[in-house]
Amino acid sequence: DAKTTQPPSMDCAEGRAANLPCNHSTISGNEYVYWYRQIHSQGPQYIIHGLKNNETNEMASLIITEDRKSSTLILPHATLRDTAVYYCIVPKAAGNKLTFGGGTRVLVKP
Amino acid sequence: EAGVAQSPRYKIIEKRQSVAFWCNPISGHATLYWYQQILGQGPKLLIQFQNNGVVDDSQLPKDRFSAERLKGVDSTLKIQPAKLEDSAVYLCASSLEALGSPLHFGNGTRLTVT
Repeated sequence: DAKTTQPPSMDCAEGRAANLPCNHSTISGNEYVYWYRQIHSQGPQYIIHGLKNNETNEMASLIITEDRKSSTLILPHATLRDTAVYYCIVPKAAGNKLTFGGGTRVLVKP
Repeated sequence: EAGVAQSPRYKIIEKRQSVAFWCNPISGHATLYWYQQILGQGPKLLIQFQNNGVVDDSQLPKDRFSAERLKGVDSTLKIQPAKLEDSAVYLCASSLEALGSPLHFGNGTRLTVT
């Protein structure tokens, strides 16, 4: 998998947007960027993925830079339930295997 | 849609004992994964099945860990004999066969080896 770099932790105010950065400078042209999150005592949960274009779903938005070397996950209105570890993953194009790094521990504060 | 089911939720055993974990994936999901998550770390892939065949078991400690997926549905992961360092959460995930399909995880089995 392409190596990803994320800040180890960040705080966010409840109701505000949370912007989570991820660097993946070695990404190949046909590799997707995936985001998962893991709430305490639960298994990881799929959030969103994208290749080149920005993507949005009911949970979040994904902004990928034009050179694809970095991306940002946006939680538009963070709630206390969004407190979790967020993982940015770029699996090899040939398979679905995910290699998890340390992720970003996000704490949403009231 | 029912999620990935795992049991038991918690298990405490002594070292050198054996233990087994069970996973029932989402109906129709051909691919099944077992991950190990040590406290404070991200999950690490142990084994991947496609239907009832093994796709990748390169990180499975085969001297003590074994896994099977009979009939391409449910799966069991066994540890025999357990070591202290096997204390972790064991996560099962499944996905559709299509390349790039997201993984759906169960809530895991927390194993404590004393």
